[in-house]
Amino acid sequence: AQSVTQLDSHVSVSEGTPVLLRCNYSSSYSPSLFWYVQHPNKGLQLLLKYTSAATLVKGINGFEAEFKKSETSFHLTKPSAHMSDAAEYFCVVSAEIKAAGNKLTFGGGTRVLVKP
Amino acid sequence: DAGVIQSPRHEVTEMGQEVTLRCKPISGHNSLFWYRQTMMRGLELLIYFNNNVPIDDSGMPEDRFSAKMPNASFSTLKIQPSEPRDSAVYFCASSRRHTDSGNTIYFGEGSWLTVV
Repeated sequence: AQSVTQLDSHVSVSEGTPVLLRCNYSSSYSPSLFWYVQHPNKGLQLLLKYTSAATLVKGINGFEAEFKKSETSFHLTKPSAHMSDAAEYFCVVSAEIKAAGNKLTFGGGTRVLVKP
Repeated sequence: DAGVIQSPRHEVTEMGQEVTLRCKPISGHNSLFWYRQTMMRGLELLIYFNNNVPIDDSGMPEDRFSAKMPNASFSTLKIQPSEPRDSAVYFCASSRRHTDSGNTIYFGEGSWLTVV
């Protein structure tokens, strides 16, 4: 079985300050990990993904995440928040499971508010 | 690339009516997923197809829901009869191969369904 826990349902930051979104996962398999962003009334857009290569992954819009196997974490960071970063963010784990194929498990989401 | 295309974007229907949601996956992708998003339950996988064949439909809530994929470029999700509790955003997504967990899954913009 696999699961994803996003430790904060809401995060509020001031524009220009760092953003940290926390994600812990569990998986019986070697997982791939993703972060998706969803802006209001929009679909989900891929920010970045980890697939067993470099543990520090850089994504779009200045976001990056670090895979830490010992901590089973995949936290998302950005050094300086922008107003356009206000959205909901989902941490996702994916593992190939024989006979079941590729299963995605979503975290509950973290809603980010950016204050001017 | 046009991305995953869903229609309709918005639908309001009366309880008891049939609802059909449509999806065109990205060309060359052979895995297709239907998700439902609600405030209470977050994102739920309803069903996914590989090479037009349903692989896992364990997330389909009940017999009122059915999904088909008659060819590689088209899928439908049907609800008959619809009920108010079916009100949600329904996302279609596609990826290249379902057995590679590192493959990115691309989401459509969603179909916003309201059943009154």
